[in-house]
Amino acid sequence: GQNIDQPTEMTATEGAIVQINCTYQTSGFNGLFWYQQHAGEAPTFLSYNVLDGLEEKGRFSSFLSRSKGYSYLLLKELQMKDSASYLCAGMDSNYQLIWGAGTKQIIKP
Amino acid sequence: GAVVSQHPSWVICKSGTSVKIECRSLDFQATTMFWYRQFPKQSLMLMATSNEGSKATYEQGVEKDKFLINHASLTLSTLTVTSAHPEDSSFYICSARDRESSPLHFGNGTRLTVT
Repeated sequence: GQNIDQPTEMTATEGAIVQINCTYQTSGFNGLFWYQQHAGEAPTFLSYNVLDGLEEKGRFSSFLSRSKGYSYLLLKELQMKDSASYLCAGMDSNYQLIWGAGTKQIIKP
Repeated sequence: GAVVSQHPSWVICKSGTSVKIECRSLDFQATTMFWYRQFPKQSLMLMATSNEGSKATYEQGVEKDKFLINHASLTLSTLTVTSAHPEDSSFYICSARDRESSPLHFGNGTRLTVT
């Protein structure tokens, strides 16, 4: 079956760096997406990886290893506004998104 | 770019009535639109996938006669919750993409409360 695993909750301090891991099992693979969702709001797109390696976009970076079925989202210089849930989603061979349950990122001052 | 507009943002209705939610892609043509439902502190649940001009594909357990989806054009899809009941109260979110491999872009969601 298809499955996305990510931690339920993580806690970090303002200004720190945090890495949110995601492992995936999909029928075929057409890329890995990360979304941010603040409480009570809809998700917003953060990143897309389809090739191995690190994609950097400002304070946020995303990494993919297709051979390991593994991705991570790296958040640097954490700010209080980064408190949110981070959703990992894998795209299968039919271009359907398989969603993880999300990681709630708590940031303490 | 890639803006998806969803209306209304919130709606309160009485049990037994119907509610229509609109989802529009403002600056791109959405070949596929998706409707999600999310209960508090739970993950996104895909309800149905709609392609312009064809019938929606519903996920297992979603009643197609209760949740009517119409994807009339490349920029508009609607979800109608018919004969709403309190258990239908939820956060409904639409999303759209222009190509199969493109990211999904989400509307702001509609918070439905059925009294």
